[in-house]
Amino acid sequence: GQSLEQPSEVTAVEGAIVQINCTYQTSGFYGLSWYQQHDGGAPTFLSYNALDGLEETGRFSSFLSRSDSYGYLLLQELQMKDSASYFCAAAWNRDDKIIFGKGTRLHILP
Amino acid sequence: SAVISQKPSRDICQRGTSLTIQCQVDSQVTMMFWYRQQPGQSLTLIATANQGSEATYESGFVIDKFPISRPNLTFSTLTVSNMSPEDSSIYLCSVGKGTGEKLFFGSGTQLSVL
Repeated sequence: GQSLEQPSEVTAVEGAIVQINCTYQTSGFYGLSWYQQHDGGAPTFLSYNALDGLEETGRFSSFLSRSDSYGYLLLQELQMKDSASYFCAAAWNRDDKIIFGKGTRLHILP
Repeated sequence: SAVISQKPSRDICQRGTSLTIQCQVDSQVTMMFWYRQQPGQSLTLIATANQGSEATYESGFVIDKFPISRPNLTFSTLTVSNMSPEDSSIYLCSVGKGTGEKLFFGSGTQLSVL
C-alpha cells in the first residue's frame, strides 16, 4: 500500500535545530514533499525532493534517500512561529495523487 | 503558484441535509483534489476531480455520498450528501503543480453536523 510514517510529536527549544523524519512505502514512489499547517489554517507547501540529497530553502531543508526509503525535514534557528504540524506527503506511480503522513506536531519551548 | 477561493468557510448543518462546497482557482488546472481533515488528524484524499470526466474516488468514499462537479478548468464543487455527525470535518480543495510535487490549498470549509 501507499503509506508514510512520521513521529506524532517533537519538542525543541527556540533557536535550536530540529529534524522530523519520514519513512515511506517504496513501490512506485515518485517524490516526497513537506507541508506546514498552523492551527486553523490550511497546509502550505515547504519543500519537495524527487532526487536523493538535500534541498535548502531558507531556514528549512529537506533530505531524501531513496535507497533507505527515508526523508527528513530540518528546521534551523527555530522560532516560536514554527510551532505547527508538519506533514510529509508523497506521490506514487506518476498518477498525481498525493498521500499525506499522519503529521508531526512540533512544540517549541522558549 | 495558485490562488484558491473556497466557500463557505464554515457551516453548521442539520442531519440529513446536504452542503455544496465551491472551489475557484485563479488559473486553469488539470486536476483538482478534495481532502478531508478531522481535527488533529492528517489529510485524507476523498477524490480527484478531472475536467470533462467523472471524478476518481478513493477507497471508502462514494459518488452518491460525495458527488463532485468539474464544469471547467478553474472550478469544482464537492457536495456532502445526507449528512450525519460523522461528516463533521474540515474539507479542503487543492490543485497540483507538477507530478506529485506541490499542492496549493484553499482555506478550507469547517463543517459541523448536528
